[in-house]
Amino acid sequence: EVQLVESGGGLAQPGRSLRLSCTTSGFSFGDYGVSWVRQAPGKGLEWIGFIRSKVYGGTIEYAASVKGRFSFSRDDSKSVAYLQMDSLETEDTAVYYCTRTPHITNTYFDYWGQGTLVTVSS
Amino acid sequence: AIQMTQSPSSLSASVGDRVTITCRASQGVRNDLSWYQQKPGKAPKLLIYGASSLQGGVPSRFSGSGSGTDFTLTISSLQPEDFATYYCLQDYSFPWTFGQGTKVEIK
Repeated sequence: EVQLVESGGGLAQPGRSLRLSCTTSGFSFGDYGVSWVRQAPGKGLEWIGFIRSKVYGGTIEYAASVKGRFSFSRDDSKSVAYLQMDSLETEDTAVYYCTRTPHITNTYFDYWGQGTLVTVSS
Repeated sequence: AIQMTQSPSSLSASVGDRVTITCRASQGVRNDLSWYQQKPGKAPKLLIYGASSLQGGVPSRFSGSGSGTDFTLTISSLQPEDFATYYCLQDYSFPWTFGQGTKVEIK
């Protein structure tokens, strides 16, 4: 069974950092990209980043709203993806989802984690 | 960035109704479009990818069509479990962008 589980969310003060983990199981993690999507309270979905599989260079794309503050990485040996969030702003308050992202013929988010809530407040 | 505009933003419908949601891209995205269903407090679920391919396990009452700038998600006969918010997503070019969502409510 394919599973993705986010962890590391919680309360952080503006300007501080948090690191989220996306622990996966049930599939060959290295064969897939990972995307991160967030959802502010009561709002819609916002794509914030994508890390390709190593076969496709492991390169990373960022949304403008997080570029320079957030970074994505992956450890294929542990089947885990990470989201390092620095210089947090109150506008970063959201539920953060990681998603499995096939990206060979078509690209889409076929499996999602349950989400982890990040609250940025003083 | 490509803007994705969904319409309507919300709709009320009855069980058994045929429901159509549209998604318009500000520029062509070929067929690089997927649809997601989200219920309150839950993660989104993939319904359609490649504009018209049904994800495994998704009921056949869901269908997608379109290419270029105009896309539709159709639910042929609305069921009680279909009341949710629906989002389109373009992955044609970065930044990938979602539509603002369409909330399907019970009439």
